[in-house]
Amino acid sequence: GAVVSQHPSRVICKSGTSVKIECRSLDFQATTMFWYRQFPKQSLMLMATSNEGSKATYEQGVEKDKFLINHASLTLSTLTVTSAHPEDSSFYICSVAQNTGELFFGEGSRLTVL
Amino acid sequence: AQSVSQHNHHVILSEAASLELGCNYSYGGTVNLFWYVQYPGQHLQLLLKYFSGDPLVKGIKGFEAEFIKSKFSFNLRKPSVQWSDTAEYFCAVTAYNFNKFYFGSGTKLNVKP
Repeated sequence: GAVVSQHPSRVICKSGTSVKIECRSLDFQATTMFWYRQFPKQSLMLMATSNEGSKATYEQGVEKDKFLINHASLTLSTLTVTSAHPEDSSFYICSVAQNTGELFFGEGSRLTVL
Repeated sequence: AQSVSQHNHHVILSEAASLELGCNYSYGGTVNLFWYVQYPGQHLQLLLKYFSGDPLVKGIKGFEAEFIKSKFSFNLRKPSVQWSDTAEYFCAVTAYNFNKFYFGSGTKLNVKP
């Protein structure tokens, strides 16, 4: 199956700064990647679908200007949390869907905004 | 919009007990169904999946799930749990074109040795 790597695994930043999280598909060319956010004791919430070479598709209620997604190549998608605030602190997970229909997940990135 | 419900948030069992975790979804079209597991400190991994055919699906580590279309359910079962099954389990649904995946809130399973 696909191997998906996220970086950084943990990041702490000050309120008002921007943070970039990278998601790489190491052995599979992914035209589509998904970004999820996981709150404590809650489910994975789909934030957006990242499409290679075009704009991401955001879920209802997710601010596209707040969470910038770039999918510049078939192996890399980035999520930038702009002007981060403490309420943005969460666990962000990216995933890749193979043509078998199976999702492969990155290890996740824990963001803490002070 | 699609939604996925997992009614058991936290389940505690002793080893060798039988397990059944409920999953219900709301979506009128053709769906693909999954169970994912997240062991402590690890990322999500696929347990089993259903696309079509036999509604009783067998996965890894002795897990199975049954798709009951009339009930919009895809419950996960294991006849005899082990301590190593302690993990969080997520049910997921996607439409036939795998366009988006939606997850349930997860069920945390603790198996006592």
